[in-house]
Amino acid sequence: EDKVVQSPLSLVVHEGDTVTLNCSYEVTNFRSLLWYKQEKKAPTFLFMLTSSGIEKKSGRLSSILDKKELFSILNITATQTGDSAVYLCAVANFGNEKLTFGTGTRLTIIP
Amino acid sequence: DVKVTQSSRYLVKRTGEKVFLECVQDMDHENMFWYRQDPGLGLRLIYFSYDVKMKEKGDIPEGYSVSREKKERFSLILESASTNQTSMYLCASIETSLNYNEQFFGPGTRLTVL
Repeated sequence: EDKVVQSPLSLVVHEGDTVTLNCSYEVTNFRSLLWYKQEKKAPTFLFMLTSSGIEKKSGRLSSILDKKELFSILNITATQTGDSAVYLCAVANFGNEKLTFGTGTRLTIIP
Repeated sequence: DVKVTQSSRYLVKRTGEKVFLECVQDMDHENMFWYRQDPGLGLRLIYFSYDVKMKEKGDIPEGYSVSREKKERFSLILESASTNQTSMYLCASIETSLNYNEQFFGPGTRLTVL
């Protein structure tokens, strides 16, 4: 059975801190790993990673995938209160259409 | 912009009632999904559909059924609602299986079963 595990489950930091969120996975026929940010309602897409070692970057957020060790990290530098959200990791594999999600990391930024 | 809409943001039903959750997307996407989201359990796939009248069970289909009579509409049905189906329900759609970065979520329906 495919499995995605995120850590920590929750994290509270002060504004300006840098945070690292972790996602490890065990899936058959891995295709891609995705990160989403979920505030009060629907998740919004952040990154899709398919190759090891290539960092994806968007402003203060960046992510990298290690297909050998089966994990990904999401970094957020100089955090702001607007970064407070649940961050979801999901994995897609070849052969079917569905995503397997982790339980999410709840990030709270204190002003 | 792709838009995925869900019929209700909040819904309160009684045990045993039949419940319909509707999802509509306006970009001619082939694949549509229903998830439920519960604290500590993340998003879990209930059912998905890759074409009109086609459906596949996800990880937790028990107690649910779905209907896809038109490409833009994917309905989730709770034949006889139970309290353990109280949850946030999210619908999503993608254009093709090659473009998971194009998966769009609806705003969610928070269902409470009393």
